[in-house]
Amino acid sequence: GAVVSQHPSWVICKSGTSVKIECRSLDFQATTMFWYRQFPKQSLMLMATSNEGSKATYEQGVEKDKFLINHASLTLSTLTVTSAHPEDSSFYICSARDRDIEAFFGQGTRLTVV
Amino acid sequence: GQNIDQPTEMTATEGAIVQINCTYQTSGFNGLFWYQQHAGEAPTFLSYNVLDGLEEKGRFSSFLSRSKGYSYLLLKELQMKDSASYFCAVNDYKLSFGAGTTVTVRA
Repeated sequence: GAVVSQHPSWVICKSGTSVKIECRSLDFQATTMFWYRQFPKQSLMLMATSNEGSKATYEQGVEKDKFLINHASLTLSTLTVTSAHPEDSSFYICSARDRDIEAFFGQGTRLTVV
Repeated sequence: GQNIDQPTEMTATEGAIVQINCTYQTSGFNGLFWYQQHAGEAPTFLSYNVLDGLEEKGRFSSFLSRSKGYSYLLLKELQMKDSASYFCAVNDYKLSFGAGTTVTVRA
C-alpha cells in the first residue's frame, strides 16, 4: 500500500502553546486528506477533511480557529493545534486518499499538553 | 447521519475462528473498509469491499451484503498477535468509523 508519513510521532507541549503536525503522502498525490482524533479506547472521530488548495471542511463541534488545517500541496497537509490545553491531549491521525479508493493512515501523533 | 454498529468485545482461543459483524445505515455508500489497530498505533488496512461477496486475504476474509447493510470480518487460525481493535468504516466520500471491536486472543 501507499505510504503516509506523519510527524512528529509524539509531542509534549505547555498549555497555551501551539503545535503543528505534518502529514505527507510519500509516493502518491493525495487529493484529499483527513484528520482524526482518537481518545483512549474510543473510535476515530473525523475532525476535518481537506482538499488541496481549498479551505478545510470541519465536522460539527470542531473549532476551526483552534485546529488550523492547511493543505498547500497534493502531498502535504498540516494540522496546527493553537493555544493547546490539557483537554486537547489525544492521538491525532491523518489519512490520505488516493483517488476514491483506499485511505492510508499516518503513524499518528500522541499529543500531551501539560 | 451515519449509523455503524459492531460488537464491543470478543474473546477467542488461539487457533480458533472469530467473526466480527458490522451493520450500517449511511446516507451514501462507496465501499466498506476493515482496519486493525494495536494499542498506541495507527490503524492498518485489512480489506475493502465495494461489491457483494467475499474477499479473502490469507487468514482474513471480509464479506459484504449491500442490500442488507451488513459486513463481517472473519479471522481464521487466530494468533496471539491478532489481539487488537478492529474497525469497520463506511466510505461515503469520507470514512465513518464504527466504535471498534476489541478482540482478545487467549492461549
